[in-house]
Amino acid sequence: DAKTTQPPSMDCAEGRAANLPCNHSTISGNEYVYWYRQIHSQGPQYIIHGLKNNETNEMASLIITEDRKSSTLILPHATLRDTAVYYCISFYNQGGKLIFGQGTELSVKP
Amino acid sequence: GAVVSQHPSRVICKSGTSVKIECRSLDFQATTMFWYRQFPKKSLMLMATSNEGSKATYEQGVEKDKFLINHASLTLSTLTVTSAHPEDSSFYICSATQAAGVSYEQYFGPGTRLTVT
Repeated sequence: DAKTTQPPSMDCAEGRAANLPCNHSTISGNEYVYWYRQIHSQGPQYIIHGLKNNETNEMASLIITEDRKSSTLILPHATLRDTAVYYCISFYNQGGKLIFGQGTELSVKP
Repeated sequence: GAVVSQHPSRVICKSGTSVKIECRSLDFQATTMFWYRQFPKKSLMLMATSNEGSKATYEQGVEKDKFLINHASLTLSTLTVTSAHPEDSSFYICSATQAAGVSYEQYFGPGTRLTVT
């Protein structure tokens, strides 16, 4: 599985959009980009995933660059409950393993 | 969404004893389950992958005789930490997949906090 790099920490004001970047420059053509988050002392929570096209669901939007070497997770209106560690993972569907990097610790502040 | 439970949520045991942790998929049949370990302030580390009815595949450096995994059904996997030592104290998390077509979402349990005294 391709390695991803994320900034170790970010701050965001409550109510504003949180944009979390991820670099995956060695991603292969059949690897998806998955995002999970982990609130303190809980199991990770699935957020969103995509292959080439931008994706949106009730939690977030995922913007993937045309060359697929990087992506951005967008939380449109961050709340205090979005404070968590966010993990970006490149992953091959159908039998691959999720390998977690260090993630980005997002702190949403009032 | 799909729900995965773990039992117990917390356990304290004495050094040298064994501890069993259960992972259940409550509303779906899990083709594959995974076990992770997480130390404080660290990321999740994959320990092993298990498929129902077959032997688990362990990651490099994980002792299969110490961390026994049984995946007896499509809704239950167990992790037994044998002869536990204080260094085995950690947060153990399981996950389960509901592979269907090209969708491959992995659902995580809430974790089990193991403390070995």
